[in-house]
Amino acid sequence: AQSVSQHNHHVILSEAASLELGCNYSYGGTVNLFWYVQYPGQHLQLLLKYFSGDPLVKGIKGFEAEFIKSKFSFNLRKPSVQWSDTAEYFCAVMTYGSGNTGKLIFGQGTTLQVKP
Amino acid sequence: DTEVTQTPKHLVMGMTNKKSLKCEQHMGHRAMYWYKQKAKKPPELMFVYSYEKLSINESVPSRFSPECPNSSLLNLHLHALQPEDSALYLCASSQGVQGEAFFGQGTRLTVV
Repeated sequence: AQSVSQHNHHVILSEAASLELGCNYSYGGTVNLFWYVQYPGQHLQLLLKYFSGDPLVKGIKGFEAEFIKSKFSFNLRKPSVQWSDTAEYFCAVMTYGSGNTGKLIFGQGTTLQVKP
Repeated sequence: DTEVTQTPKHLVMGMTNKKSLKCEQHMGHRAMYWYKQKAKKPPELMFVYSYEKLSINESVPSRFSPECPNSSLLNLHLHALQPEDSALYLCASSQGVQGEAFFGQGTRLTVV
């Protein structure tokens, strides 16, 4: 069965520090990849997505992610975090084929706390 | 309009009650989803509808019954729930089953 693994459960950074959140998935077929963010008390919002093409994708609020197919990874990065980036971050994988098309599976989430 | 609207925002129900959660989108999306999210956990997929037909049921207990009356609406009918079913229920929609999903604010359900 497909699965998504996020390496860090709780990350604490100071403002202006760089961020990298790891995400690996397990699925042998075609996937679309996403990072979602959930700010306190708000709904899930899409940060960025990868469907095909350039493996380095840019999203909103200065976030970017790199898809490395050989490593089944889709890591999220931001060069300089702000206090307003404090939130829960979810990596998600959309699978295709054999009754799995449409399954958007989430990783366990990473709580990011940015100290001012 | 890039919104998925869920009603009610909060619901408290007894174990013998029957209630329904509603979800609406006007983005012309043809795929709609129900997710369940417990505190400090990721959303768990329950159901996927594609072109108003149920395409995925993630072995959800029959006390949860989804319904898609038309392409803009998705309901989740609840009956004889257990306290452990208390959670945030999220609705989402996407252009097709392969696209990015837009999520609603959720319904916070408490079963007493």
